[in-house]
Amino acid sequence: VQLQESGPGLVKPSQTLSLTCTVSGDSFSSDNYYWSWIRQPAGEGLEWIGRIYKSGTATYNPSLKSRVTISIDTSKSQFSLKLSSVTAADTAVYYCASFTALVPNAFDIWGQGTMVTVSS
Amino acid sequence: DIQMTQSPSSLPASVGDRVTITCRASQSISSYLNWYQKKPGKAPKLLIYSASSLQGGVPSRFSGSGSGTDFTLTISSLQPEDFATYYCLQSYTLPWTFGQGTKVEIK
Repeated sequence: VQLQESGPGLVKPSQTLSLTCTVSGDSFSSDNYYWSWIRQPAGEGLEWIGRIYKSGTATYNPSLKSRVTISIDTSKSQFSLKLSSVTAADTAVYYCASFTALVPNAFDIWGQGTMVTVSS
Repeated sequence: DIQMTQSPSSLPASVGDRVTITCRASQSISSYLNWYQKKPGKAPKLLIYSASSLQGGVPSRFSGSGSGTDFTLTISSLQPEDFATYYCLQSYTLPWTFGQGTKVEIK
């Protein structure tokens, strides 16, 4: 399984950040995976943004819930992130990752990450 | 939310040193604790899952222990490629939360 993020590297303040993660391999329809977005602002730690299951059920970090939407397109083996009303505080490297339930019950496969800058 | 607190934040060390990093959860998380290694420009790499299980392909000098609220990551003999930042992650309950990181740097 491999994951690859794509999307604009520059977003204006107050606009919506949109990223897509493309999953290669046979696992996209597996019961065992939760597909997640995680970010890391420069010089800071990692923050889990939210996850989506193949059924389309999404769960978000309460700290971002009002601005986040994660969706999935199983026909394309993709899942996407939308973050609305962005500010400079949303500038970060954004990762997509797979969380494998049961074993290891952790994020075990990650995309390479994509830098998103919020600036006018 | 469960708060994960790592210590120390920075750890100067030399090649060959035994290194220990701790992670404390604000409430019991059983053994749902994972450790990651993060290098600049790279995605995090899973080292240890379920507190003490070594992820495939990870050198045996890495080990983890603990349960409940207190956990440790130990590197038995630090190698040059181990200088990095280490994060713990609790996967006990949503929202999943990371520790703030421990940077292992050259002394």
